[in-house]
Amino acid sequence: KAGVTQTPRYLIKTRGQQVTLSCSPISGHRSVSWYQQTPGQGLQFLFEYFSETQRNKGNFPGRFSGRQFSNSRSEMNVSTLELGDSALYLCASTQLPTDTQYFGPGTRLTVL
Amino acid sequence: QKEVEQDPGPLSVPEGAIVSLNCTYSNSAFQYFMWYRQYSRKGPELLMYTYSSGNKEDGRFTAQVDKSSKYISLFIRDSQPSDSATYLCASEANAGGTSYGKLTFGQGTILTVHP
Repeated sequence: KAGVTQTPRYLIKTRGQQVTLSCSPISGHRSVSWYQQTPGQGLQFLFEYFSETQRNKGNFPGRFSGRQFSNSRSEMNVSTLELGDSALYLCASTQLPTDTQYFGPGTRLTVL
Repeated sequence: QKEVEQDPGPLSVPEGAIVSLNCTYSNSAFQYFMWYRQYSRKGPELLMYTYSSGNKEDGRFTAQVDKSSKYISLFIRDSQPSDSATYLCASEANAGGTSYGKLTFGQGTILTVHP
């Protein structure tokens, strides 16, 4: 079974731009969670989607948004990028009913 | 105070040593506990998953949970240089509401096993 895939793997943007990151979960998994990882804050939960519905959201500003498609693929968008948005963005695919999360390799975003 | 506290280390041990990694948590709603391993520039890899107090063993790895003291541990026996990575503990509350899909992570412990 293929693992979680994330594209692109690396991105460089400038302040004020927006960015869209993509995640394809493991086949058959319908829940996708997104996390931001930085050296200072560690791994922080952004949001979770199940069957195209956002069920949970972390404590991030509205500039961070996401969506999920009918094939369970998910995207997250960050608008009006700030320097502090530089981070590794991780997507996790959830196996039910244990809620076990399997992570993708991440997208490393650098904001200049 | 963070809901999950983990000593960031770094921890350096010789090959073959027994490694002990520890976390404490404060949220009584946490019911599920995981350990992930993360190599540099990679995503976290699930090592252990447990939901009850006691020990769970998988090869060289043993996860230990003590819900009464809110303490979780990971032991690595016969450590190898390939075990050098960052180890992250994570907790999850019962499914539903504000816990859907949300893992709360410790800061991670950087482990180096030298030959």
